[in-house]
Amino acid sequence: AQSVAQPEDQVNVAEGNPLTVKCTYSVSGNPYLFWYVQYPNRGLQFLLKYITGDNLVKGSYGFEAEFNKSQTSFHLKKPSALVSDSALYFCAVRDMNSGNTPLVFGKGTRLSVIA
Amino acid sequence: NAGVTQTPKFQVLKTGQSMTLQCAQDMNHEYMSWYRQDPGMGLRLIHYSVGAGITDQGEVPNGYNVSRSTTEDFPLRLLSAAPSQTSVYFCASSYGSDHSGNTIYFGEGSWLTVV
Repeated sequence: AQSVAQPEDQVNVAEGNPLTVKCTYSVSGNPYLFWYVQYPNRGLQFLLKYITGDNLVKGSYGFEAEFNKSQTSFHLKKPSALVSDSALYFCAVRDMNSGNTPLVFGKGTRLSVIA
Repeated sequence: NAGVTQTPKFQVLKTGQSMTLQCAQDMNHEYMSWYRQDPGMGLRLIHYSVGAGITDQGEVPNGYNVSRSTTEDFPLRLLSAAPSQTSVYFCASSYGSDHSGNTIYFGEGSWLTVV
């Protein structure tokens, strides 16, 4: 079985400060990992993904995430937060060896960047 | 670029009524899926399809029906609406039929209220 956990429902950060949104996962094999962002009343937008290769993945809007296999984590980071980064963030995982098993999403973390 | 298009955006139904949420994509994606989003529950998969003529159940399929007669369209039918089906519904698609690490693209959502 595959699962993903976002341990924080809400993250607050001051504008200009670094931000981290946490994600841990559980798969039996190797993972495909994704981050999506949802702005109010909109669909989910793709930010970045880890497939293989370099553990540090860079994505849209200055976001990056680091794949840590030993800690089974894929935390989303940005060096300097903007008020416009305020949104709902979802981590998702799929086991590489799970055939057609669909992507599993976490419950989401609401990021609030305060000016 | 239309991407994934969902209609209607908003709908109010009475308990017991039936309706169809439409989803179309113009990216020639094999894989399509429907999710529902509820507060504190994240995204839960309802049904998915890996190609025309092939559908399968997700995590919460009860009360919903799907079909995939063409690559482009993947409608979601509510057979007899219940208040528990009040939710935001998202259609999504990705290239390829085996999920893999392909990016999933989401529609803008359909807000459904059942009274």
